[in-house]
Amino acid sequence: EDQVTQSPEALRLQEGESSSLNCSYTVSGLRGLFWYRQDPGKGPEFLFTLYSAGEEKEKERLKATLTKKESFLHITAPKPEDSATYLCAVTPHSSGYALNFGKGTSLLVTP
Amino acid sequence: EAEVAQSPRYKITEKSQAVAFWCDPISGHATLYWYRQILGQGPELLVQFQDESVVDDSQLPKDRFSAERLKGVDSTLKIQPAELGDSAMYLCASSLRTNTGELFFGEGSRLTVL
Repeated sequence: EDQVTQSPEALRLQEGESSSLNCSYTVSGLRGLFWYRQDPGKGPEFLFTLYSAGEEKEKERLKATLTKKESFLHITAPKPEDSATYLCAVTPHSSGYALNFGKGTSLLVTP
Repeated sequence: EAEVAQSPRYKITEKSQAVAFWCDPISGHATLYWYRQILGQGPELLVQFQDESVVDDSQLPKDRFSAERLKGVDSTLKIQPAELGDSAMYLCASSLRTNTGELFFGEGSRLTVL
């Protein structure tokens, strides 16, 4: 069974304190791995797509990386506006293109 | 900037009542999704449409849930009868094509069943 596990469940950082969020996955053939950001009471917002091990994508203070078993979302010098829940999702070759989401990591960045 | 529109934003209903949610995707987006998100969990796919056709409804509880996209544009998700366990955020998303994980989500419809 395809599984997506995100850790930690919650993370509190001081402004400027860099860290990483983890997404480990078990799928029968990965078609793609996706990162989304979700603010409270809102729908998720697309951040990145990663397709193959070794691939990296960057956007402002965020960088996503992918290995054969997991993905990391690195946050460099975070600001309070980076506070949100970060969701990881995978789509296996067998599913058409349905996204299988993890439970997310809730990030709080304090001034 | 184009957005996915959903209504209502909030709905409170009693169990055994019927409830309906509406979604208008971004213009030109052929693929439409309904997801359910329980508090503290990630979104779970209920149904996927390509134009007016259902692509995947394997996770839709068909004894009480129905979804339609008659003209291949806007869509309605219905629950009848609602149960306590249906309390969740119902998210609509759209994408330009089927083979992409870049989805554009609406703000969701928060359902509370009493």
